[in-house]
Amino acid sequence: GNSVTQMEGPVTLSEEAFLTINCTYTATGYPSLFWYVQYPGEGLQLLLKATKADDKGSNKGFEATYRKETTSFHLEKGSVQVSDSAVYFCALRGPNAGKSTFGDGTTLTVKP
Amino acid sequence: DSGVTQTPKHLITATGQRVTLRCSPRSGDLSVYWYQQSLDQGLQFLIQYYNGEERAKGNILERFSAQQFPDLHSELNLSSLELGDSALYFCASSVGEGQGTYEQYFGPGTRLTVT
Repeated sequence: GNSVTQMEGPVTLSEEAFLTINCTYTATGYPSLFWYVQYPGEGLQLLLKATKADDKGSNKGFEATYRKETTSFHLEKGSVQVSDSAVYFCALRGPNAGKSTFGDGTTLTVKP
Repeated sequence: DSGVTQTPKHLITATGQRVTLRCSPRSGDLSVYWYQQSLDQGLQFLIQYYNGEERAKGNILERFSAQQFPDLHSELNLSSLELGDSALYFCASSVGEGQGTYEQYFGPGTRLTVT
């Protein structure tokens, strides 16, 4: 079956530091890949997505590139802010599957 | 605001009881998905409905059931509740039935506490 493995957290960074959260996946076919963010006490918000190999998803300074050869979709941001503190989830959806399969989530704390 | 609404926001109940969680999808979305988020299991898919019909089942217990009504809102029924059912229950919606490229929009969740 499909699975997503995320870098274990928590991750603590200083403001303006570079962020990488690793995500690798196992899936049959060609899934779509997503990053979601969950702020404290809130639901999941879609951060970015990529639907085919070599696509780059980007939003709010975050980027992730769909790498089929390494089955990865690492999340990066060049300069994090305190307001980026949240839990980040990597997820995939199969080409004909409605449901999402999520990683365990990575908690990011950014200190001023 | 994703456009997906869930009620209630919080629910506290005792073991053995039954509760109903409600979800209204975004306008125009025909698919509704239910997920459970717990500390030990992470985010797990429970069940999907599309235009009133069940489409996919995940790790949903037999004590749990769901349905989607003609107006497309959905309800998740949890019965014979156990302490381990305490979790955040999310509803999500999307426009399509099974196309993985379509975005899923998540509601704010219902936090269930079983005491």
